[in-house]
Amino acid sequence: GDSVTQMEGPVTLSEEAFLTINCTYTATGYPSLFWYVQYPGEGLQLLLKATKADDKGSNKGFEATYRKETTSFHLEKGSVQVSDSAVYFCAFLSGGYNKLIFGAGTRLAVHP
Amino acid sequence: EAGVAQSPRYKIIEKRQSVAFWCNPISGHATLYWYQQILGQGPKLLIQFQNNGVVDDSQLPKDRFSAERLKGVDSTLKIQPAKLEDSAVYLCASSPVWLAKNIQYFGAGTRLSVL
Repeated sequence: GDSVTQMEGPVTLSEEAFLTINCTYTATGYPSLFWYVQYPGEGLQLLLKATKADDKGSNKGFEATYRKETTSFHLEKGSVQVSDSAVYFCAFLSGGYNKLIFGAGTRLAVHP
Repeated sequence: EAGVAQSPRYKIIEKRQSVAFWCNPISGHATLYWYQQILGQGPKLLIQFQNNGVVDDSQLPKDRFSAERLKGVDSTLKIQPAKLEDSAVYLCASSPVWLAKNIQYFGAGTRLSVL
C-alpha cells in the first residue's frame, strides 16, 4: 500500500553544516510530493512541493527534486541555521481524494 | 489571512470519558480534514469533508469517533468513550477546493492525553 519512508532521526548538526534528509515513497502513479515542517509548539507548515517528475521544489534555502526512477524526494540545504531546528515530514497525495500520506518525520537539531 | 484555528490546545481526560475538539478552517476553504498524529509517527487522515459532506472516513474508528461539519464551515471531532491509545495530537487542515494537487493548511493541533 501507499507509504513513505524517511530517514530516522534525530539528526544533529552544527550551524552552517550541509543537510540531507532522505525520503522514498511507495505509491500508485506519480503523485504530488511535499515536505512539511513542524516547529516546536506549532502546526505543520508547507515547506516545498513538486508536482511532476524532475521538478525541483525550493523554499528558504531548502531544495528537493522529484526522482521518479528512484521514487525519492530527498530534502537538502547547503547551510543550516539554529532556526531550522524542527521536525520535517515527507508526504504525498494519494488517490483521488486528496489524502496526504506522511512519513514518520525526522527531527533536526542544529546547534551553534 | 487568519489560519486554521483549533481548540482546545491541550486536553487531559481519563479513559472512558468523552472529549470534543473544534476546528475553524480558513475562510472560504471548502475542504476540511482531521488527522491523528501519534507520538513518533506522521499524521494519519481520519476524515475529510467537502463542504458539509463526508468524502472519506475510511480510517475513522466509527464505534467511538464521530465528526460533523455543520453549514460547511466549523467542524467538531468527538471521541466517546476514549481509550488510552487515543492519546495523540489531533490536527485539523483545510484547503480551498477539492483538487488533487491542492495545498493543505494545518492548525496547531489539540494534544490529547488519556490517562
